[in-house]
Amino acid sequence: QVQLQQSGPGLVKPSQTLSLTCAISGDTISNFNAGWNWIRQSPSRGLEWLGRTYYRSRSYDDYAVSVRGRITINPDTSKNQFSLHLNSVTPEDTAVYYCARDLLDSSGSHYYMDVWGEGTTVTVSS
Amino acid sequence: SSELTQDPAVSVALGQTVRITCQGDSLRRYYASWYQQKPGQAPILVIHGKNNRPSGIPDRFSGSSSGNTASLTISGVQAEDEADYYCNSRDNSGHPLRVFGGGTKLTVL
Repeated sequence: QVQLQQSGPGLVKPSQTLSLTCAISGDTISNFNAGWNWIRQSPSRGLEWLGRTYYRSRSYDDYAVSVRGRITINPDTSKNQFSLHLNSVTPEDTAVYYCARDLLDSSGSHYYMDVWGEGTTVTVSS
Repeated sequence: SSELTQDPAVSVALGQTVRITCQGDSLRRYYASWYQQKPGQAPILVIHGKNNRPSGIPDRFSGSSSGNTASLTISGVQAEDEADYYCNSRDNSGHPLRVFGGGTKLTVL
């Protein structure tokens, strides 16, 4: 059974960096059929996909246009986890942040997010 | 376009059938997946691809697609189906990005 365990601070000051970690159990971050995503949710933005990291022959990442330039998602194969770093945060970055596994269907036709972390509420405030 | 559009709210009588739709240009090329979210909980996957239900999801949930519209149908709605439902698919820009619909709040009367 695959589980994702999130950790990180719930309060970040404006202009600083938001950092969260998602620890994977029951799968490996180097799974060639998976991607490892960060998603956030706020009343104003709904569910917003932020980006993902994934392994094929090496590590890759994709980021949403809305946060590109401020975001980094780093895999850590030694700890089987991945992390989110979002810099220069403002109160608009206040949200519940989720990590999720993105799995390739057996037909190879599409991906779907089948396992989610429990969510971390992050408030950006001084 | 990278947008997926959903009706903000839908209501249905207990035991009836409801269809929740998701529209977007990317759906002409890519399948949608559907997520159910109850207050204070993380989303859970209910349908993915052409019409695939994960283990543990009741068979009253089904999916379909036509043109630029993906649909989630719940047949014989139960009280516990009251929740927010979100569609998700790939961005249509050609890059392997993901996008969510704005969500549909389902009320069971």
